[in-house]
Amino acid sequence: EAQVTQNPRYLITVTGKKLTVTCSQNMNHEYMSWYRQDPGLGLRQIYYSMNVEVTDKGDVPEGYKVSRKEKRNFPLILESPSPNQTSLYFCASSPGTGFSFSNQPQHFGDGTRLSIL
Amino acid sequence: GENVEQHPSTLSVQEGDSAVIKCTYSDSASNYFPWYKQELGKRPQLIIDIRSNVGEKKDQRIAVTLNKTAKHFSLHITETQPEDSAVYFCAASILGTDKLIFGTGTRLQVFP
Repeated sequence: EAQVTQNPRYLITVTGKKLTVTCSQNMNHEYMSWYRQDPGLGLRQIYYSMNVEVTDKGDVPEGYKVSRKEKRNFPLILESPSPNQTSLYFCASSPGTGFSFSNQPQHFGDGTRLSIL
Repeated sequence: GENVEQHPSTLSVQEGDSAVIKCTYSDSASNYFPWYKQELGKRPQLIIDIRSNVGEKKDQRIAVTLNKTAKHFSLHITETQPEDSAVYFCAASILGTDKLIFGTGTRLQVFP
């Protein structure tokens, strides 16, 4: 089954304790992206990747890191989490064909709810 | 940078009525406009999309219209049903970039 898998689904942690949210897709998609969803603010793009070793900042990259060492994986890293990073996080992927990688339907994972105390 | 405004933030309709959600975008180079539906506790899922070379697209009860001159696009749902109740997000992608900018969402409630 074609899917985007995020882990963990839920995490409660404390300020400053490094954490990684993993994301994996089995559709051989070029494009992967991370979003955070907050009430009243919709979905905001954190980072995206057009291919292996190619990443770029979205609208809210501060406090986050990503890596794309393999095509299928795109982990989100919070080196020193703070309470304002408490949010619902979604990973997404798309085929990325065409001139602009983001102009294809995105397949979302089930989300990761992070609470940082 | 690109900004996408979405209205209304909440919308309540009676079953069988139509619902319309509107979005405006700021960058005239935007060329791809998807709509996503997010049911409570679930992931966003694409329901329809439109590209800048098309003015209207329809899929059963759902349609999207695009007015490039005015830089706005709208989602139309006809004959609404309770299962249409969800949060709907519009988005815009700018030609030549790899960013996707989402609107802030519309919570649609369809009452039986």
